[in-house]
Amino acid sequence: ILNVEQSPQSLHVQEGDSTNFTCSFPSSNFYALHWYRWETAKSPEALFVMTLNGDEKKKGRISATLNTKEGYSYLYIKGSQPEDSATYLCASSGNTPLVFGKGTRLSVIA
Amino acid sequence: EAQVTQNPRYLITVTGKKLTVTCSQNMNHEYMSWYRQDPGLGLRQIYYSMNVEVTDKGDVPEGYKVSRKEKRNFPLILESPSPNQTSLYFCASNPLWISGQYNEQFFGPGTRLTVL
Repeated sequence: ILNVEQSPQSLHVQEGDSTNFTCSFPSSNFYALHWYRWETAKSPEALFVMTLNGDEKKKGRISATLNTKEGYSYLYIKGSQPEDSATYLCASSGNTPLVFGKGTRLSVIA
Repeated sequence: EAQVTQNPRYLITVTGKKLTVTCSQNMNHEYMSWYRQDPGLGLRQIYYSMNVEVTDKGDVPEGYKVSRKEKRNFPLILESPSPNQTSLYFCASNPLWISGQYNEQFFGPGTRLTVL
């Protein structure tokens, strides 16, 4: 079974701080790495899907990078806002369907 | 509107009483799957389906059944629910590979199931 690890488990930051968290995944048989944003009482929503080593994607203040050779991806949030508070999930697919990490729970304090 | 729908959204039932949670998507996606979410355990896949009549076990299939008779529907069946199946369940669909790109997964709104 593919093992996808996320760190830290939770994070508290002040409004305006920039932050980042990590997703680690097996680098063998890699197909794609997904990032999702999951707000309480809602369903997860896709942020990025990345496939190529060195890929960088950006959506507003959120960006992500991918290193498939060493098996990690970083998600960055610049100038965190209270509305960024959510759980951020990553998921990797190798020769199996998507396997999710347990998420990083971000709380942004105003 | 492109979406994944699940019904019911909330269900309280008793041990042993068969139930079905429906899932439907209107995006013509090949891939559908079911997850359960439990505190501290993240999203765990129960079953998935790559296309009509093709289903496979995920990480935690025990106590569940699925069927994929039509592309749009992927119901989750609990033949004899037990309290350890109390959880939040998500259905999801994905178009898989389109135009050389892997694509994002779309989630339903979730079904909160309590088995007494």
